[in-house]
Amino acid sequence: DIQMTQSPSSLSASVGDRVTITCRASQTISSYLNWYQQKPGKAPELLIYAASSLQSGVPSRFSGSGSGTDFTLTISSLQREDFATYYCQQSYSTPYTFGQGTKLEIK
Amino acid sequence: QVQLVESGGGVVQPGGSLRLSCAASGFTFSSYGMHWVRQAPGKGLEWVALIRHDGKNKYYADSVKGRFTISRDNSKNTLYLQMNSLRPEDTAVYYCAKGTSMVRGAMDYWGQGTLVTVSS
Repeated sequence: DIQMTQSPSSLSASVGDRVTITCRASQTISSYLNWYQQKPGKAPELLIYAASSLQSGVPSRFSGSGSGTDFTLTISSLQREDFATYYCQQSYSTPYTFGQGTKLEIK
Repeated sequence: QVQLVESGGGVVQPGGSLRLSCAASGFTFSSYGMHWVRQAPGKGLEWVALIRHDGKNKYYADSVKGRFTISRDNSKNTLYLQMNSLRPEDTAVYYCAKGTSMVRGAMDYWGQGTLVTVSS
């Protein structure tokens, strides 16, 4: 199975900050990497698919990059509603696996 | 608009069985792969299973293989997860999710989840 490792596990930042979360796969996954946002008590929401494609309706301050084994999610200017937990997920091969999550908290 | 509504969760004893359902609306259900994803209390997301649009191919996480069965009824726009030989570590909120057509394996709509508790 492909292991997904996110860093950091938690992050404190302020409104307006630029934030980057990284995700590393245990083997190459081409661009089959997706990012989700989850707020407490809610279902996850798709932000980025295929490493860098923005899901419809997602603000343009979110962006993704990478291919192979190393990927990043960047939020260019944090808004209050962005404080949440973020997960990467590989869809290169089943079983599809998620990273352990990155909790983004207000500083 | 796309809606996914899970049902069937509850409390079950270890070794017991439960069947979850996910009623879909707002899209052509028979055209999309569907997933189950779970989240144990206070933990991260775990992908559980995938069924292709026509029901012919199914895939499972190692942790549930041989115990859980994913199925669908395209005439009823409903997804199912039959869970047998349940263990305490299966306790989680179970989400159904619609596969996107943009890239395999990504999930663009999710239900609100149903809680399964395995406890004596």
